[in-house]
Amino acid sequence: DAKTTQPPSMDCAEGRAANLPCNHSTISGNEYVYWYRQIHSQGPQYIIHGLKNNETNEMASLIITEDRKSSTLILPHATLRDTAVYYCIVRPPNTNAGKSTFGDGTTLTVKP
Amino acid sequence: DTGVSQDPRHKITKRGQNVTFRCDPISEHNRLYWYRQTLGQGPEFLTYFQNEAQLEKSRLLSDRFSAERPKGSFSTLEIQRTEQGDSAMYLCASSLTMGEGEQFFGPGTRLTVL
Repeated sequence: DAKTTQPPSMDCAEGRAANLPCNHSTISGNEYVYWYRQIHSQGPQYIIHGLKNNETNEMASLIITEDRKSSTLILPHATLRDTAVYYCIVRPPNTNAGKSTFGDGTTLTVKP
Repeated sequence: DTGVSQDPRHKITKRGQNVTFRCDPISEHNRLYWYRQTLGQGPEFLTYFQNEAQLEKSRLLSDRFSAERPKGSFSTLEIQRTEQGDSAMYLCASSLTMGEGEQFFGPGTRLTVL
């Protein structure tokens, strides 16, 4: 699996947008970008994924650069409950792969 | 609740004892994964099943570890002769085989080996 690089920590003010970057310069053509988050002492929670196009769901938006070497997860109006570790993963679709390779993620702290 | 469930949520054991954890995936998911997570680190892949077949095992899965999914539904992870280094959160996830497929994680089993 391609490796990802994320900043270890970030702060964000409550109500503001949180923009979490991820570098995946060795991503392959069939690999998707997935984002998960993990709130303390819970299992990781799926947020969003994409291949080439930008994606949006009720939780977040995912912006993928045209060369696909980096992406940004956007939480449009961060709340205190968004404080968590955010993981960016790249992997092929399930038909071609099993495991997900997690790095150490970005610890996002949302402050009042 | 139709999510992934794990049992027990917490386990404290003495070094040298055997422990077994159970994972019940989302019912229509034919893939099941086990991960291990130590404090401050991201989850590390251990093994995964497609139906009852174990398709991949990590080098982290030493001879003391064994995982089964006998009927392609629930899975068990057994650790024999536990060591203090086995203390970790053990996470289970499930997914469909086809498609882009996000993995859905359970709450984990926290193991403490004294």
